[in-house]
Amino acid sequence: DIQLTQSPSFLSASVGDRVTITCRASQGISSYLAWYQQKPGKAPKLLIYAASTLQSGVPSRFSGSGSGTEFTLTISSLQPEDFATYYCQQLNSYPPLTFGGGTKVEIK
Amino acid sequence: EVQLVESGGGLVQPGGSLRLSCSASGFTFSSYAMHWVRQAPGKGLEYVSAISSNGGSTYYADSVKGRFTISRDNSKNTLYLQMSSLRAEDTAVYYCVRETYYYDSSENAFDIWGQGTMVTVSS
Repeated sequence: DIQLTQSPSFLSASVGDRVTITCRASQGISSYLAWYQQKPGKAPKLLIYAASTLQSGVPSRFSGSGSGTEFTLTISSLQPEDFATYYCQQLNSYPPLTFGGGTKVEIK
Repeated sequence: EVQLVESGGGLVQPGGSLRLSCSASGFTFSSYAMHWVRQAPGKGLEYVSAISSNGGSTYYADSVKGRFTISRDNSKNTLYLQMSSLRAEDTAVYYCVRETYYYDSSENAFDIWGQGTMVTVSS
């Protein structure tokens, strides 16, 4: 199975900060990567698919990049509603469609 | 409105059984592969099981293989997860999820999630 390692697992940032989260795959997955946002007590929400394509309705301050084994999720200017946990997921080797361990973004 | 609504969760003793249901609405259920993903309290997302659009293919994570059975009834727009021989480590919120194929990129993603149903395995 393909393993996904997210870093950092936790980060503290201020409103307006630029935030970058990394997701590394144990083997190449081309661009078959998605990013999700989860707020406490809520289901995850799809932000980005195909590594860099923004899901409809997602603010443009979110962006994704990468291919192969290294990927990043960037929030260009952190907003109060962005404080949440973020997960990457690989959809190259199916199944299982594994998730990364998550990155919790908290208010500094 | 496109929606997935899970039901059937609850408290069950170790070794017991439970059947989760997921009712789909607002889309052509029979056209989509469906999945179950779970999340233990305070933990990350764990991929559990998958079923193809026509139910002909299924997948199970090693952690549930032989104990859980995924199925679907396309005439009722409903996804199921039959869970047996439950263990404490199966305690989690269980999410029903739709997999969508995006033609613009020729790739897939989990675009619709249910609200989740809590399963607690405890004596």
